[in-house]
Amino acid sequence: QQQVKQSPQSLIVQKGGISIINCAYENTAFDYFPWYQQFPGKGPALLIAIRPDVSEKKEGRFTISFNKSAKQFSLHIMDSQPGDSATYFCAASPWGAQKLVFGQGTRLTINP
Amino acid sequence: DTAVSQTPKYLVTQMGNDKSIKCEQNLGHDTMYWYKQDSKKFLKIMFSYNNKELIINETVPNRFSPKSPDKAHLNLHINSLELGDSAVYFCASSQVPSGNYEQYFGPGTRLTVT
Repeated sequence: QQQVKQSPQSLIVQKGGISIINCAYENTAFDYFPWYQQFPGKGPALLIAIRPDVSEKKEGRFTISFNKSAKQFSLHIMDSQPGDSATYFCAASPWGAQKLVFGQGTRLTINP
Repeated sequence: DTAVSQTPKYLVTQMGNDKSIKCEQNLGHDTMYWYKQDSKKFLKIMFSYNNKELIINETVPNRFSPKSPDKAHLNLHINSLELGDSAVYFCASSQVPSGNYEQYFGPGTRLTVT
């Protein structure tokens, strides 16, 4: 059972554009939603995370939007740069359980 | 200094062999994990240890046996390797009681079973 569904699988955006990646979850016990960024040959690294007490969190060019009633959350990358080209994973976990369930990943390519 | 390190980075072996992957973290974290990333890049948790105690064991074949000699180390031993075990294995760590749930991942070990 895939508890976190991520789309699209791959995304190509022009430099300076907005990249949007979406995730949907099923388990209502989830209340911690991080996004991880992975470059080729490296381990995933935390980019930004949100808890459902807020609907949006912004850190620099990265924003998470969260819709609790729809059980969906998304990552927006503003002014996308070639250095943002990587695979992005959404994840979810019950708070404190430390058991991250990952989405399938989105391979993002930013064209110069 | 590397926060979470794994050895080896690459491991090529034949079916039926036994192999180990080692992981060390110097972040002072109390919780460590093993994840498997398959050829489609899907990441799935295998095990989690908190202060050397097994917390999560996610329906992993018992050919996989994690061992935590101390809270800075979590090793993964795999018996009777199968073709389907080929994947990238990531170790991670976090400090749960501090309330910061960020997991720090190692660089991965690419295991190829021939």
